Amino acid sequence: DSGVTQTPKHLITATGQRVTLRCSPRSGDLSVYWYQQSLDQGLQFLIQYYNGEERAKGNILERFSAQQFPDLHSELNLSSLELGDSALYFCASSASSIPSSGNTIYFGEGSWLTVV
Amino acid sequence: GDSVTQMEGPVTLSEEAFLTINCTYTATGYPSLFWYVQYPGEGLQLLLKATKADDKGSNKGFEATYRKETTSFHLEKGSVQVSDSAVYFCALSEGSNYQLIWGAGTKLIIKP
Repeated sequence: DSGVTQTPKHLITATGQRVTLRCSPRSGDLSVYWYQQSLDQGLQFLIQYYNGEERAKGNILERFSAQQFPDLHSELNLSSLELGDSALYFCASSASSIPSSGNTIYFGEGSWLTVV
Repeated sequence: GDSVTQMEGPVTLSEEAFLTINCTYTATGYPSLFWYVQYPGEGLQLLLKATKADDKGSNKGFEATYRKETTSFHLEKGSVQVSDSAVYFCALSEGSNYQLIWGAGTKLIIKP
């Protein structure tokens, strides 16, 4: 158990809909990351938050948005869903956003999204 | 930019065989290197890591040594088990925002 909790574990929704994925980081971790894993694109970094503020942006679509709340949990909002958005969405956390020998990223088990 | 290259899979071995999964990297500075494992139907788990040259990371019988001269971080295990069947990802981190740069993953299949 990594200590990173993601809900829901599985989600099936229709095209055009909007969903929210939730992530609780490990206790004490200030950084939260979102990744998308799909069969054709592999593992892709979406976005990173540190202590409530956006820190880095990757290949995140404009239809997607995220935020980190004062209690450090994070939500990833996916809207106007398309079939191609079907993927496994990972949340991860780390203690700091600054690289150091002790700063390891820990992943949750992921949220499986199926768009039909 | 920084990149990670892994050997293509799937890699199929018999139980108790010796395993090597190659990983090489390109980086401008001094990255930390990681191996993550994804078992079927599960999320990513950190397997081992190394943060400086000549460091050896080890866990669950797996080892990898950070070789700066060859820019490599090959994953090895002396005797694999069926339960090691999974996808293995090599990754590096560098830069102030601590993004992970991922390899494409190598699927490992162990046959009894």
